[in-house]
Amino acid sequence: EAGVTQSPTHLIKTRGQQATLRCSPISGHTSVYWYQQALGLGLQFLLWYDEGEERNRGNFPPRFSGRQFPNYSSELNVNALELEDSALYLCASSLGMRATNEKLFFGSGTQLSVL
Amino acid sequence: AQSVTQLGSHVSVSEGALVLLRCNYSSSVPPYLFWYVQYPNQGLQLLLKYTSAATLVKGINGFEAEFKKSETSFHLTKPSAHMSDAAEYFCAVSERGGGTSYGKLTFGQGTILTVHP
Repeated sequence: EAGVTQSPTHLIKTRGQQATLRCSPISGHTSVYWYQQALGLGLQFLLWYDEGEERNRGNFPPRFSGRQFPNYSSELNVNALELEDSALYLCASSLGMRATNEKLFFGSGTQLSVL
Repeated sequence: AQSVTQLGSHVSVSEGALVLLRCNYSSSVPPYLFWYVQYPNQGLQLLLKYTSAATLVKGINGFEAEFKKSETSFHLTKPSAHMSDAAEYFCAVSERGGGTSYGKLTFGQGTILTVHP
Protein backbone atom coordinates (compact mmCIF):
# COMPACT_ATOMS: atom_id res chain seq x y z
CA GLU A 1 0.00 0.00 0.00
CA ALA A 2 1.37 3.39 -0.98
CA GLY A 3 2.01 5.84 1.83
CA VAL A 4 1.49 9.57 1.83
CA THR A 5 3.29 11.04 -1.16
CA GLN A 6 4.42 14.62 -1.53
CA SER A 7 5.78 16.53 -4.48
CA PRO A 8 8.11 18.05 -5.25
CA THR A 9 10.77 16.81 -2.87
CA HIS A 10 12.63 20.09 -3.10
CA LEU A 11 11.45 23.49 -4.27
CA ILE A 12 13.54 26.60 -4.68
CA LYS A 13 11.83 29.96 -5.06
CA THR A 14 12.73 33.59 -4.73
CA ARG A 15 11.15 36.08 -2.39
CA GLY A 16 7.77 37.30 -3.58
CA GLN A 17 7.04 34.25 -5.74
CA GLN A 18 4.32 31.69 -5.16
CA ALA A 19 4.90 28.05 -4.22
CA THR A 20 2.55 25.12 -4.73
CA LEU A 21 3.07 21.91 -2.80
CA ARG A 22 1.12 18.74 -3.44
CA CYS A 23 0.08 15.81 -1.31
CA SER A 24 -1.62 12.50 -2.02
CA PRO A 25 -3.05 10.75 1.03
CA ILE A 26 -3.15 7.06 1.72
CA SER A 27 -5.98 5.37 -0.16
CA GLY A 28 -9.14 5.50 1.93
CA HIS A 29 -8.03 8.47 3.99
CA THR A 30 -10.23 11.56 3.76
CA SER A 31 -8.28 13.91 6.01
CA VAL A 32 -5.14 15.76 5.00
CA TYR A 33 -3.04 17.89 7.32
CA TRP A 34 -0.21 20.28 6.60
CA TYR A 35 2.56 21.03 9.05
CA GLN A 36 5.54 23.36 8.76
CA GLN A 37 8.86 22.29 10.22
CA ALA A 38 11.08 25.32 10.29
CA LEU A 39 14.54 25.42 11.79
CA GLY A 40 14.32 26.56 15.37
CA LEU A 41 10.52 26.67 15.40
CA GLY A 42 9.70 22.99 15.46
CA LEU A 43 6.60 21.49 13.93
CA GLN A 44 3.68 23.86 13.55
CA PHE A 45 0.15 22.92 12.51
CA LEU A 46 -0.88 24.72 9.33
CA LEU A 47 -4.13 23.38 7.89
CA TRP A 48 -6.54 20.47 8.09
CA TYR A 49 -8.86 19.39 5.29
CA ASP A 50 -11.50 16.73 5.48
CA GLU A 51 -14.01 15.76 2.83
CA GLY A 52 -12.99 18.70 0.71
CA GLU A 53 -13.44 21.37 3.35
CA GLU A 54 -11.04 23.31 5.51
CA ARG A 55 -11.73 22.19 9.08
CA ASN A 56 -9.05 23.98 11.05
CA ARG A 57 -6.24 26.40 10.54
CA GLY A 58 -3.10 27.15 12.50
CA ASN A 59 -1.69 30.55 13.34
CA PHE A 60 -0.40 31.42 9.87
CA PRO A 61 -1.11 34.45 7.66
CA PRO A 62 -3.72 34.23 4.86
CA ARG A 63 -1.03 33.93 2.20
CA PHE A 64 -0.85 30.30 3.31
CA SER A 65 -3.84 28.61 1.71
CA GLY A 66 -4.79 25.31 0.25
CA ARG A 67 -7.49 23.07 -1.00
CA GLN A 68 -8.54 19.47 -1.11
CA PHE A 69 -9.72 17.85 -4.29
CA PRO A 70 -12.53 15.31 -4.76
CA ASN A 71 -9.95 12.50 -4.77
CA TYR A 72 -8.77 13.81 -1.34
CA SER A 73 -5.38 14.95 -2.61
CA SER A 74 -4.39 18.39 -1.47
CA GLU A 75 -2.42 21.46 -2.48
CA LEU A 76 -0.74 23.95 -0.22
CA ASN A 77 -0.15 27.37 -1.75
CA VAL A 78 2.13 29.95 -0.28
CA ASN A 79 1.89 33.39 -1.87
CA ALA A 80 4.29 36.30 -1.63
CA LEU A 81 7.06 34.09 -0.32
CA GLU A 82 9.25 35.41 2.45
CA LEU A 83 12.67 34.18 3.50
CA GLU A 84 11.24 32.79 6.74
CA ASP A 85 8.93 30.50 4.79
CA SER A 86 11.93 28.29 4.12
CA ALA A 87 11.09 25.05 5.86
CA LEU A 88 10.16 21.41 5.46
CA TYR A 89 6.44 21.14 4.78
CA LEU A 90 4.97 17.87 5.92
CA CYS A 91 1.68 16.45 4.81
CA ALA A 92 -0.16 13.81 6.82
CA SER A 93 -3.35 11.88 6.26
CA SER A 94 -5.80 9.98 8.42
CA LEU A 95 -9.10 8.17 8.19
CA GLY A 96 -10.92 11.39 8.92
CA MET A 97 -13.44 12.80 11.33
CA ARG A 98 -15.68 9.77 11.25
CA ALA A 99 -12.92 7.51 12.56
CA THR A 100 -12.11 7.23 16.22
CA ASN A 101 -8.49 6.37 15.57
CA GLU A 102 -6.69 9.67 15.36
CA LYS A 103 -3.61 8.19 13.74
CA LEU A 104 -1.70 10.41 11.34
CA PHE A 105 0.57 9.07 8.64
CA PHE A 106 3.20 11.51 7.42
CA GLY A 107 4.84 11.94 4.05
CA SER A 108 8.53 12.68 3.60
CA GLY A 109 7.93 16.36 3.05
CA THR A 110 8.75 19.11 0.60
CA GLN A 111 11.81 21.17 1.42
CA LEU A 112 11.02 24.74 0.39
CA SER A 113 13.92 27.14 0.09
CA VAL A 114 13.24 30.82 -0.43
CA LEU A 115 16.19 32.83 -1.72
CA ALA B 1 -4.20 25.61 25.44
CA GLN B 2 -1.96 22.63 25.09
CA SER B 3 1.81 22.51 25.25
CA VAL B 4 4.55 19.93 25.23
CA THR B 5 8.00 20.19 26.75
CA GLN B 6 10.73 17.78 25.86
CA LEU B 7 13.57 17.93 28.34
CA GLY B 8 16.90 17.75 26.57
CA SER B 9 17.30 18.65 22.92
CA HIS B 10 20.12 16.09 22.63
CA VAL B 11 20.49 12.72 24.35
CA SER B 12 23.48 10.48 23.85
CA VAL B 13 23.65 6.83 24.90
CA SER B 14 25.87 3.85 24.25
CA GLU B 15 24.62 0.92 22.23
CA GLY B 16 22.85 -1.48 24.60
CA ALA B 17 22.13 1.19 27.20
CA LEU B 18 18.73 2.37 28.38
CA VAL B 19 17.07 5.08 26.34
CA LEU B 20 14.98 7.62 28.25
CA LEU B 21 13.45 10.57 26.44
CA ARG B 22 11.42 12.92 28.60
CA CYS B 23 8.12 14.57 27.75
CA ASN B 24 5.82 16.67 29.90
CA TYR B 25 2.55 18.02 28.68
CA SER B 26 0.02 20.63 29.62
CA SER B 27 -3.60 20.22 28.62
CA SER B 28 -6.90 21.48 29.96
CA VAL B 29 -8.61 18.22 29.05
CA PRO B 30 -7.41 14.60 29.15
CA PRO B 31 -5.25 14.41 26.08
CA TYR B 32 -4.15 11.97 23.49
CA LEU B 33 -0.37 11.63 23.58
CA PHE B 34 1.99 10.49 20.86
CA TRP B 35 5.63 9.79 20.19
CA TYR B 36 6.92 10.16 16.65
CA VAL B 37 10.36 9.45 15.22
CA GLN B 38 11.95 11.27 12.32
CA TYR B 39 14.94 9.82 10.49
CA PRO B 40 17.09 12.15 8.38
CA ASN B 41 15.35 13.41 5.25
CA GLN B 42 12.16 11.56 6.10
CA GLY B 43 8.74 12.34 7.47
CA LEU B 44 7.46 11.39 10.89
CA GLN B 45 6.66 7.83 11.85
CA LEU B 46 4.32 7.04 14.73
CA LEU B 47 6.04 5.07 17.48
CA LEU B 48 3.14 4.82 19.89
CA LYS B 49 -0.03 6.51 21.08
CA TYR B 50 -1.83 6.87 24.40
CA THR B 51 -5.62 7.10 24.33
CA SER B 52 -6.60 6.26 27.94
CA ALA B 53 -6.62 2.50 27.85
CA ALA B 54 -3.49 1.13 29.51
CA THR B 55 -1.14 3.69 31.00
CA LEU B 56 1.87 1.72 29.74
CA VAL B 57 1.87 1.85 25.98
CA LYS B 58 4.01 -0.41 23.85
CA GLY B 59 5.11 0.78 20.45
CA ILE B 60 7.20 -0.31 17.54
CA ASN B 61 10.91 -1.08 17.60
CA GLY B 62 10.87 -2.00 21.31
CA PHE B 63 9.85 1.44 22.56
CA GLU B 64 7.30 2.03 25.26
CA ALA B 65 5.95 5.00 27.16
CA GLU B 66 4.12 5.40 30.43
CA PHE B 67 1.38 7.96 30.99
CA LYS B 68 1.59 9.46 34.48
CA LYS B 69 -1.26 11.84 35.08
CA SER B 70 0.04 13.03 38.45
CA GLU B 71 3.32 14.05 36.83
CA THR B 72 1.77 15.12 33.51
CA SER B 73 4.48 13.07 31.87
CA PHE B 74 4.75 10.66 28.98
CA HIS B 75 8.38 9.58 28.89
CA LEU B 76 9.65 7.28 26.15
CA THR B 77 11.93 4.37 27.02
CA LYS B 78 13.73 1.49 25.39
CA PRO B 79 15.69 -1.02 27.47
CA SER B 80 18.57 -1.44 25.04
CA ALA B 81 19.57 1.12 22.43
CA HIS B 82 20.50 0.09 18.92
CA MET B 83 22.50 2.09 16.42
CA SER B 84 19.43 2.25 14.19
CA ASP B 85 17.55 4.17 16.92
CA ALA B 86 19.58 7.29 16.16
CA ALA B 87 17.01 9.84 15.03
CA GLU B 88 14.97 12.78 16.24
CA TYR B 89 12.03 12.02 18.49
CA PHE B 90 8.96 14.18 18.95
CA CYS B 91 6.35 14.05 21.66
CA ALA B 92 2.94 15.41 20.69
CA VAL B 93 -0.43 16.05 22.29
CA SER B 94 -3.92 16.52 20.90
CA GLU B 95 -7.25 17.20 22.53
CA ARG B 96 -9.77 14.45 22.88
CA GLY B 97 -13.17 14.47 21.36
CA GLY B 98 -12.43 15.33 17.78
CA GLY B 99 -14.15 18.36 16.41
CA THR B 100 -11.90 21.03 15.06
CA SER B 101 -9.07 19.78 17.26
CA TYR B 102 -8.95 16.49 15.39
CA GLY B 103 -5.51 15.89 14.00
CA LYS B 104 -4.20 19.17 15.33
CA LEU B 105 -1.12 17.97 17.10
CA THR B 106 0.99 20.19 19.28
CA PHE B 107 4.57 18.99 19.08
CA GLY B 108 7.48 19.32 21.42
CA GLN B 109 10.73 20.77 20.14
CA GLY B 110 12.21 17.34 19.56
CA THR B 111 15.06 15.35 21.05
CA ILE B 112 17.95 14.15 18.92
CA LEU B 113 19.08 10.72 20.04
CA THR B 114 22.68 9.74 19.32
CA VAL B 115 23.79 6.15 19.86
CA HIS B 116 27.50 5.44 20.30
CA PRO B 117 29.00 2.04 19.51
